[in-house]
Parts: sequence; C-alpha cells; structure tokens
Amino acid sequence: GENVEQHPSTLSVQEGDSAVIKCTYSDSASNYFPWYKQELGKGPQLIIDIRSNVGEKKDQRIAVTLNKTAKHFSLHITETQPEDSAVYFCAGGDTGFQKLVFGTGTRLLVSP
Amino acid sequence: DTAVSQTPKYLVTQMGNDKSIKCEQNLGHDTMYWYKQDSKKFLKIMFSYNNKELIINETVPNRFSPKSPDKAHLNLHINSLELGDSAVYFCASSHPSGNTIYFGEGSWLTVV
Repeated sequence: GENVEQHPSTLSVQEGDSAVIKCTYSDSASNYFPWYKQELGKGPQLIIDIRSNVGEKKDQRIAVTLNKTAKHFSLHITETQPEDSAVYFCAGGDTGFQKLVFGTGTRLLVSP
Repeated sequence: DTAVSQTPKYLVTQMGNDKSIKCEQNLGHDTMYWYKQDSKKFLKIMFSYNNKELIINETVPNRFSPKSPDKAHLNLHINSLELGDSAVYFCASSHPSGNTIYFGEGSWLTVV
C-alpha cells in the first residue's frame, strides 16, 4: 500500500519569508496529491492539489511541485503571513480514489 | 451553509459506554468517510462508503460500526469505549470520480 512521509514536522518562519514542506510517496500508482491546511479546532481544508500529469501548479502565494521519477512533491508558500500558521498535510492516492494516505503533518508557525 | 456537519462536536464519556457520532453532508456526494486523528495529529482513514455500500474498512476494531442510512448520512457507532479510542473523528465526503475530500469540523471524543 501507499506510504507518505512528510518533513519537517515543525517549521518556524518570519512573516514574509518562504516556507517549503516536502513529502515522499512509495506507490508509483498514486497519481493525485492534495495538500490540506488544518487550523486549530477545525477540519482539514484542501488548499491545492496536483495530478501526476502536471509538474507544477500555482495559486497565488501557494505552489506545489511534483517529481514523479523521485516520487516526491513539495508545497511552497511565499510571502508568509501569520494567518498561514496551521498544520499542513500532504496526501497521496489514485484518481479512482476512495482512499488517500496522509502524511504526518507539518506545524507551520509564522511569526510577525 | 455547512457542507459536512457532524455531531456532537465534543463528547466525554466513561470507559465501557456506547456512543454514536452523526454525520451529514449536503454536497450531493456519493462517497463518505470516517477518519481518525490521534493526539499526534496522524490522520488515518477508518471507513469509506459509496452510495451506502462499504468500500474501505481499514483495520478497525469490530467495536466500531458505521451505518449509512442514505448517501447523505454516515454515522459512527462505538461500543465498549476504551481509553485508546480518545481522538478526533472526522467525517468527510467526495464525489467518487472527483478527488477533493471535504472534511467536517471534527468530533472530539474523550474516554475517561
């Protein structure tokens, strides 16, 4: 089955800096890789996703890159703001999917 | 409008009791899930239902029994609660052919 590893577990940056979170996956059949943001006391919310036929996707300050050969994908947040502080989860699965495997989460703290 | 709603949000109960968590989605999705998030924030799928049929049943104790009376509802019943059942339980839903999973706000279960 799929196994998703995520690093780092915690990340502290200053407001305005960039933040990068990295994930690796094991199952070459996986072709869908979403990123979720979980704020305190809330459920995870999708912020961006990427499919295996795309190498990079951008949405304003957020971008995701995917390297299928190396089986890793990354989340990039530029010009971080205090409201970006949250736990971020990567996940991997297939597009027929009924089952996503989540990474272990990264707690991002953006200091003003 | 709440897309995926679950009740109760907080539940404190004694060991050995039986409890239920209810979930409803108004997104018209065919697939619903239960995820468990432990104290270390690990997010793991427990069950997946598609059109009221069980699709995924991870290695979850038999004390956990999901019930889907219709495709908009997926309830979770837990018998003989144990201390280790303390966690946050998230209900979620998606289209089977789509990929975005929408999570509820979570139900915080504490077994004492």
